[in-house]
Parts: sequence; structure tokens; C-alpha cells
Amino acid sequence: AQSVTQPDIHITVSEGASLELRCNYSYGATPYLFWYVQSPGQGLQLLLKYFSGDTLVQGIKGFEAEFKRSQSSFNLRKPSVHWSDAAEYFCAVAPAGGYNKLIFGAGTRLAVHP
Amino acid sequence: DAGVIQSPRHEVTEMGQEVTLRCKPISGHNSLFWYRQTMMRGLELLIYFNNNVPIDDSGMPEDRFSAKMPNASFSTLKIQPSEPRDSAVYFCASVIILRTGDNYGYTFGSGTRLTVV
Repeated sequence: AQSVTQPDIHITVSEGASLELRCNYSYGATPYLFWYVQSPGQGLQLLLKYFSGDTLVQGIKGFEAEFKRSQSSFNLRKPSVHWSDAAEYFCAVAPAGGYNKLIFGAGTRLAVHP
Repeated sequence: DAGVIQSPRHEVTEMGQEVTLRCKPISGHNSLFWYRQTMMRGLELLIYFNNNVPIDDSGMPEDRFSAKMPNASFSTLKIQPSEPRDSAVYFCASVIILRTGDNYGYTFGSGTRLTVV
């Protein structure tokens, strides 16, 4: 069965520091990969997605993610974190083809210190 | 484009009452997903539809939960009778899934926060 693992439940970084959030998936083939962000009390906003092609994907708010097939990973990065980036981040996968059932990881809560 | 519209935004109800959550997907999207979010279980997929047909309802927790999609522009998730453990945020999402199986990304509604007392 497909699964998504976000190994870090909480991460705290200082404002201006770099950030990397980890995501690993278990799937028979390369799925579609997504990162969503959720601010407290809000819905889910799509940061970026990977379907095929260039393995380094650029998203909104200065985020990027790199797909590494050999490691079954899709880690999210940002070179310099802003206080407004404090939120919960979800990695999600959907099988390529078929009905595209979207499955989420448990999420990583990011805190940003001034 | 108004996005995916969910109503109500907040619902407080007493245990045993029937609750109906509503979702209007983005026009032209052919697939719709219902999720439940709790602190303990995270984001769980409850059920999804393709071209208004339920495809997989294995995530629906109990027979008390039911979902319908009578047409391409409307879906409901009903809980009858409701219980305190149903308290959660319920999200609806829609997407276009092409014949190739590709899609352009899922759009989520703002969610319905349900509290059962």
C-alpha cells in the first residue's frame, strides 16, 4: 500500500536560516508528489507539485523541492525562512494514472524563532 | 474562479443529531475528495468520486457516515447520528483527472470545523 512518511513532527529554525523538510514515500512507481502548507485554522494551500521532468521543482513563497527517485524522497527546502513561514507542512502523493487518490503524510509543524 | 466552496464553515451540534456538510467543487473538475483532519489521525481520506460516481469509500469510518454527489457541482457528507468523536475539520477537494491519468493539482476548500457536544 502506498504511504508517505514525514519523519520530523516538529522543527524549529531561526528566522533567516535555511530549511529542509523531509518526505519519503513508498510506492510501486513514481507517483505524483505534492507539498501543501496549512496555517492555523486555515485550509491547505498548494506550495508545489512534481509530475515529471526536471527533478527540482520551484513553488510559491520561495520554496523548492527535489525529487530523488533512488531515495524515494521529495524534500522541501527554503534558503531563508521568514517568520510568516511558521505553519504545518504536508507532503502528499497520488498514483500516476487511475483515480489519483491523494494520500497525506502526518505533517511537520514548523516554528520560526526571531 | 471561486475555488472549492464548503459550507458551513463551523458547525456545533449535539450528539445524536444529523449533520450535513456541503461542498461545491470547481467547475469542470471531474473528481472530488472528502478528507477528515484530527490531531490524532491527521488527514484521512474518507471517500472520493469520479464523474459523480463513488470510487472508494473504504475510508468512511462507520455506517453513520454517508456521502453523495448528485451532480457535478455539489456533494454532501452526512453523519447520522453524530457522536463527539466525529469532531474534526472536514475538507473537500476537487481536481481534473485526465484520461491519461494525469492531473493539474488538487484544490482544497476552507473546511468545515465540526464540533459535536
